[in-house]
Amino acid sequence: DAKTTQPPSMDCAEGRAANLPCNHSTISGNEYVYWYRQIHSQGPQYIIHGLKNNETNEMASLIITEDRKSSTLILPHATLRDTAVYYCIVKESNSGYALNFGKGTSLLVTP
Amino acid sequence: GAVVSQHPSWVICKSGTSVKIECRSLDFQATTMFWYRQFPKQSLMLMATSNEGSKATYEQGVEKDKFLINHASLTLSTLTVTSAHPEDSSFYICSGSPGPNTGELFFGEGSRLTVL
Repeated sequence: DAKTTQPPSMDCAEGRAANLPCNHSTISGNEYVYWYRQIHSQGPQYIIHGLKNNETNEMASLIITEDRKSSTLILPHATLRDTAVYYCIVKESNSGYALNFGKGTSLLVTP
Repeated sequence: GAVVSQHPSWVICKSGTSVKIECRSLDFQATTMFWYRQFPKQSLMLMATSNEGSKATYEQGVEKDKFLINHASLTLSTLTVTSAHPEDSSFYICSGSPGPNTGELFFGEGSRLTVL
């Protein structure tokens, strides 16, 4: 069972920031927050991950609350190609453990 | 990021035949690979964990005799769907990790199986 809760769908206008929330109130101290996305009929793509500090890379920013019970993925300037299902997953940083996907958020970026 | 390649991208087969899907890590060695399947409008479901040189570990409800997994090298894992039936039609996706302390997983492009 997924340990995260995400809204099922969101819309965003092209060029605007997309802010995707995720609740993970039962996260444990050694679990990271990972974000992946899946464009239709493709394999999931890694976006970003973090433990407790905010993180930024070329794709997105990850804001984690101080109590670590929730986080927000920010796509600063959404494009049509960002339309995808976004998955927030909590996991220990260990390659021996698989990712357990919940239902994710279906983001639709509109012109 | 690291690259994982799957082949074939899509396959159509007759009921009762077997189909093999290959998953290769192109620029890293994957001690562990994971196999998922995804039915239409659903999320990815973990089928099995494949460790190089040992038997795969299957999730509850996944028949190990039907979904044969081989991980003979650090760069290749294969999934064989034996005696396929229409209900096995799905999107099969593999993933692997480039390092023991790296939590990221990199995914293949997926293989769409249609059983007639």
